[in-house]
Amino acid sequence: DAGVIQSPRHEVTEMGQEVTLRCKPISGHNSLFWYRQTMMRGLELLIYFNNNVPIDDSGMPEDRFSAKMPNASFSTLKIQPSEPRDSAVYFCASRKQGADGYTFGSGTRLTVV
Amino acid sequence: AQRVTQPEKLLSVFKGAPVELKCNYSYSGSPELFWYVQYSRQRLQLLLRHISRESIKGFTADLNKGETSFHLKKPFAQEEDSAMYYCASRGAGNMLTFGGGTRLMVKP
Repeated sequence: DAGVIQSPRHEVTEMGQEVTLRCKPISGHNSLFWYRQTMMRGLELLIYFNNNVPIDDSGMPEDRFSAKMPNASFSTLKIQPSEPRDSAVYFCASRKQGADGYTFGSGTRLTVV
Repeated sequence: AQRVTQPEKLLSVFKGAPVELKCNYSYSGSPELFWYVQYSRQRLQLLLRHISRESIKGFTADLNKGETSFHLKKPFAQEEDSAMYYCASRGAGNMLTFGGGTRLMVKP
């Protein structure tokens, strides 16, 4: 199993551009989570899905952020338009129902200039 | 709402010294507590969970409901323990709430 796969690993974009981050969860995992990691705030949960359905998006900072999970094997996190304060590492994680821990991807390091 | 607090952003110790990474939680029910570790430029990994009462890489953590704490301990730190450590709790829902993290630096 390749684990949770995120792409791209690094993204540098200009302010105002649209950014799309991608995540492929582990096959058979039915929950998917998007987290943002910054020095100031640590790890913040943005949104999570259960069986492809968004359950809690209260952590999404503002309307510029949106997330989708069109099927069990793919999710996207989109920022439009991006701003410098969005610069962070974005992690995707998945979990199998009944399991204790999450499996995290390697993250996408986003830099907005 | 759940809240996880790690009061120390940075903890620096010498090799061979004891280590204690503090974690306090607030949750009215019975939470599940975890410690995750992130080595340099790697993904977060589950280190241990309170349910299993295990010792991983020499680390242990005891849930103290009276003090609402779940401190991570190791009697003799090693240089390879240098990493970012996150305490996390999961309540009735599916979500993990993470603390702010503590960077452990073990000096030779």
